[in-house]
Amino acid sequence: DIQMTQSPSSLSASVGDRVTITCRASQSIRNYLNWYQQKPGKAPKLLIYAASSLQSGVPSRFSGSGSGTDFTLTISSLQPEDFATYYCQQSYSTPLSFGGGTKVEIK
Amino acid sequence: QVQLQESGPGLVKPSETLSLTCTVSGGSISSYYWSWIRQPPGKALEWIGYIYYSGTTYYNPSLKSRVTISVDTSKNQFSVKLTSVTAADTAVYFCARAPSTGYYYFDSWGQGTLVTVSS
Repeated sequence: DIQMTQSPSSLSASVGDRVTITCRASQSIRNYLNWYQQKPGKAPKLLIYAASSLQSGVPSRFSGSGSGTDFTLTISSLQPEDFATYYCQQSYSTPLSFGGGTKVEIK
Repeated sequence: QVQLQESGPGLVKPSETLSLTCTVSGGSISSYYWSWIRQPPGKALEWIGYIYYSGTTYYNPSLKSRVTISVDTSKNQFSVKLTSVTAADTAVYFCARAPSTGYYYFDSWGQGTLVTVSS
């Protein structure tokens, strides 16, 4: 099974900050990596698929990069509505697996 | 705009079977993969398994001996059954859709339903 490790597990940032979240796979997953945003009490929302493709309707301040084992999600200018928990998910092989999450909090 | 809605008991006794149904509206159940995903309180997401509209299934090996996912295309519904539940199965259960593009990402989700295992 492929293990997904996110870092940091939490971070504090201010509105307007550039934020970067890292996700590492236990083996190469090529570009089979997806990112989600989850707010308290809500279902996750797809942001990025195939490592760098922006889901329709998602603001362009979100971007993804990476391939192989190392991936990043970047928020270019953090907005108030972006405070949430972010998860990566590998879809290279079954069982599909998620990272442990990164909680983005207000500084 | 497709919508997914989970339904089923919110309380299940230990050793009994958890049963949930996801109703898909605003779109066809055909040509997609349909998954169940759960999230214990305060914890990360765990993928349970998927079913293709044709009936092909794949289960997470960690739950494979206890889980069954089925589909009813005539009702645009799919379901999950988890047997011999314990307190560790207490979680919010989500149903989700993945397009059959080769990149298995979840582009639509139900709102989630909390299932508590307790006597």
